[in-house]
Order: sequence, then structure tokens, then C-alpha cells
Amino acid sequence: DAMVIQNPRYQVTQFGKPVTLSCSQTLNHNVMYWYQQKSSQAPKLLFHYYDKDFNNEADTPDNFQSRRPNTSFCFLDIRSPGLGDAAMYLCATSRDGGGLREQYFGPGTRLTVT
Amino acid sequence: AQSVAQPEDQVNVAEGNPLTVKCTYSVSGNPYLFWYVQYPNRGLQFLLKYITGDNLVKGSYGFEAEFNKSQTSFHLKKPSALVSDSALYFCAVRDYNAGNNRKLIWGLGTSLAVNP
Repeated sequence: DAMVIQNPRYQVTQFGKPVTLSCSQTLNHNVMYWYQQKSSQAPKLLFHYYDKDFNNEADTPDNFQSRRPNTSFCFLDIRSPGLGDAAMYLCATSRDGGGLREQYFGPGTRLTVT
Repeated sequence: AQSVAQPEDQVNVAEGNPLTVKCTYSVSGNPYLFWYVQYPNRGLQFLLKYITGDNLVKGSYGFEAEFNKSQTSFHLKKPSALVSDSALYFCAVRDYNAGNNRKLIWGLGTSLAVNP
């Protein structure tokens, strides 16, 4: 089945130790999103790619970076995780459609910072 | 300012009874509205959307939503609730202030508990 896959599902890292979360998709969608979600709150968009075009949100800390080497894969890099970065990180994809298209989400990676 | 409101943090309903999860919105253009569901420790799943056309939209798992332009509402409904419907429900609307038109404004979520 076509889907969005996130690895790992659970990640534990130490304060200040860089960590990378990965997302892959078999849907061949040209838009990929990264969201941060804390404690059953609404997901907060960090950034997204439209093909290779990177779109950062104004309030996303510089500590968060992303890479999209090809259509299928997208990575979230947290350069120096702080305790406040502990959260669920959700990857999503969509076909571009001017906001008309639904997003397909992966299962998420729960990040713990010790 | 654009916004989405889900006025109820939690909704409790007995299994077999109809359920309604409320959503109201305020946007600067045509409302493109979405409902997503999140089961515990899972990602979000798309349920349904309203773009244009019939005000009653049918979606996954027997859910439907009614778009009401005059009341700026998009309430999620199901005629007969199941215990397995217990989850967190998010309403979202296209953000017209985002230049790329791919961003959503999310409601805070409503936790639905269906009691056996």
C-alpha cells in the first residue's frame, strides 16, 4: 500500500546531541511537511518542501533543519536538541493543489530528550 | 484574523448515539475545510474535506460534515457512534495568509470519548 513511513518511531537523544528523523513516502507526492506536536495539541508546521523548494515557517527555530534529497525522502535534523524539543514529530505529504489537497501523515516519531 | 475554533475540548457520547464535533472558522477567502482524526500515539488521518459543492460532505468511517456558510461552521457528525471512534479530532482550514497556499490553520482539537 502507498504510505508515509517514519523512522524511528521512538527516538531518545541527549541534550545537545544532534538527531535526525527520517520520512519516506511511496505516494509520489511533491509536497512534504514536517510538524511538531506536543501533548495532543494541534500540530505546528515547522517547514515544508514543494519539490526541492524549501519553505520555512517564520517561527521555526534555527535549530531545526531539513533535507530532501529526492522525491521519496525527507529528513528533519535537530542540531542541538533542548528539553523543550521533546515532542511527536509528524511527517505528511500531499499533492500540490493550492490548499485543496488533503495531507497524508506518517505515524510520527516520538522524541525524548534526556 | 483567520482562525479555527473547536469550542469543546471533550465530547462524551454513548455508543450507538449520534455524535457531533463542532468547528467554526474565519478566513479571508473561500473556506477549504478539513477534518482529521488522531488515534492515540498515531499520526493524523484525513477524514473528509469541503472545497465546493454540496454542503453535506461524506467521508471515511461513516463520518460526514455539514458546511454552513451563514454560520461559518463545519461540524463533524456520525449517526451512530462506535467505541472505536474514540480519538482526537482536528478541524483545519486553508490559510490564505500563507503565500504558498499549502499551510493549514488548525483547531486545538476535540477529544471524543464513546462510552460502551
